[in-house]
Amino acid sequence: GQQLNQSPQSMFIQEGEDVSMNCTSSSIFNTWLWYKQDPGEGPVLLIALYKAGELTSNGRLTAQFGITRKDSFLNISASIPSDVGIYFCAGQLIGDTDKLIFGTGTRLQVFP
Amino acid sequence: NAGVMQNPRHLVRRRGQEARLRCSPMKGHSHVYWYRQLPEEGLKFMVYLQKENIIDESGMPKERFSAEFPKEGPSILRIQQVVRGDSAAYFCASSQGLSQHFGDGTRLSIL
Repeated sequence: GQQLNQSPQSMFIQEGEDVSMNCTSSSIFNTWLWYKQDPGEGPVLLIALYKAGELTSNGRLTAQFGITRKDSFLNISASIPSDVGIYFCAGQLIGDTDKLIFGTGTRLQVFP
Repeated sequence: NAGVMQNPRHLVRRRGQEARLRCSPMKGHSHVYWYRQLPEEGLKFMVYLQKENIIDESGMPKERFSAEFPKEGPSILRIQQVVRGDSAAYFCASSQGLSQHFGDGTRLSIL
């Protein structure tokens, strides 16, 4: 089935560093969403993007909807220990129902 | 987690038994989605329902799995005659047409 390529697979960084992760696809999406998942919990929505080229911030998080509609990135600035978790991109394919296609996840570890 | 309630949180079944997973969407949401997650993987779409209707079941296995979202009450994902390979975390999400918000999932273990 359809899938999103998400990279990097994992990141180990020092507290205070900036982080960048991205998702790419060969298909066109009309919505991109970024979620964070902690162990034993469901994904929590961080940022939602609805228009090509859109750049949206939520505190220290910034995400962009790629102009080609086939990619998106998420940046986290000045990382803190509570940023630890797994980050997933997810998208809704253009012309499809509202189901989400998820990326494979980026596991973030922050060291003090 | 974002108001979507799933129960039970953990469910243990023996092979051949039935599993019923429940999901109550956020207040005011009429769209419900079910996803399945294996360890170390992303979520995989199973089925999308609106009240009393299945909109998209392209991710549902053809046999043993069914889902409903009745006019009153929670959405139910039902797995009949469970097998070891059904062990996974099952997540429900709800929306009112835009962003999907997830519950904390049901972790199904098959003995």
